[in-house]
Amino acid sequence: SQQGEEDPQALSIQEGENATMNCSYKTSINNLQWYRQNSGRGLVHLILIRSNEREKHSGRLRVTLDTSKKSSSLLITASRAADTASYFCATDAAAAGNKLTFGGGTRVLVKP
Amino acid sequence: KAGVTQTPRYLIKTRGQQVTLSCSPISGHRSVSWYQQTPGQGLQFLFEYFSETQRNKGNFPGRFSGRQFSNSRSEMNVSTLELGDSALYLCASSWQGNNEQFFGPGTRLTVL
Repeated sequence: SQQGEEDPQALSIQEGENATMNCSYKTSINNLQWYRQNSGRGLVHLILIRSNEREKHSGRLRVTLDTSKKSSSLLITASRAADTASYFCATDAAAAGNKLTFGGGTRVLVKP
Repeated sequence: KAGVTQTPRYLIKTRGQQVTLSCSPISGHRSVSWYQQTPGQGLQFLFEYFSETQRNKGNFPGRFSGRQFSNSRSEMNVSTLELGDSALYLCASSWQGNNEQFFGPGTRLTVL
């Protein structure tokens, strides 16, 4: 079974709006990462947040991590059409053999 | 710095054949991981190689194998292809394996 599960599975918003997606996981982690994938292409790393961190920012991206709830969220502010992509969380956990385990992804559509 | 390259980009094979995919990591990266991505199963970890040794392995049958050369380039091989092996195969390189990963564009394998 997958360590990370994203919610929602799909999201449709207007340009300029914020997009929020969540990731829940099952076991204690070393770090959690977010990736973006444009249709049928390779993944691009967005942010890595370590288990002892609670929030990180990168440009229009904000990631939070709540280890007590075993969940993380990715917020994209002021979305653009170019943000249309699938977003995946990936966890690094000792219980999973310290290999990255990806969730099912959230498909985001930003309408111009 | 050149990115991760994968060859070939597209491949069509028939059931029962075998296939070899190649991945050249970013210069200096010693870890190479392989993933299979399908609409039904999502992103699934195949294996990771670090300094020519397989360090981690996912839950795939023995038909899936890989290796890494002394220059960190990696190959994966799938023998006795099945229809269900049709997928996007992604390679990713990193310094250590469970931190930020840099993905290649993928090889789209179609098994007829």
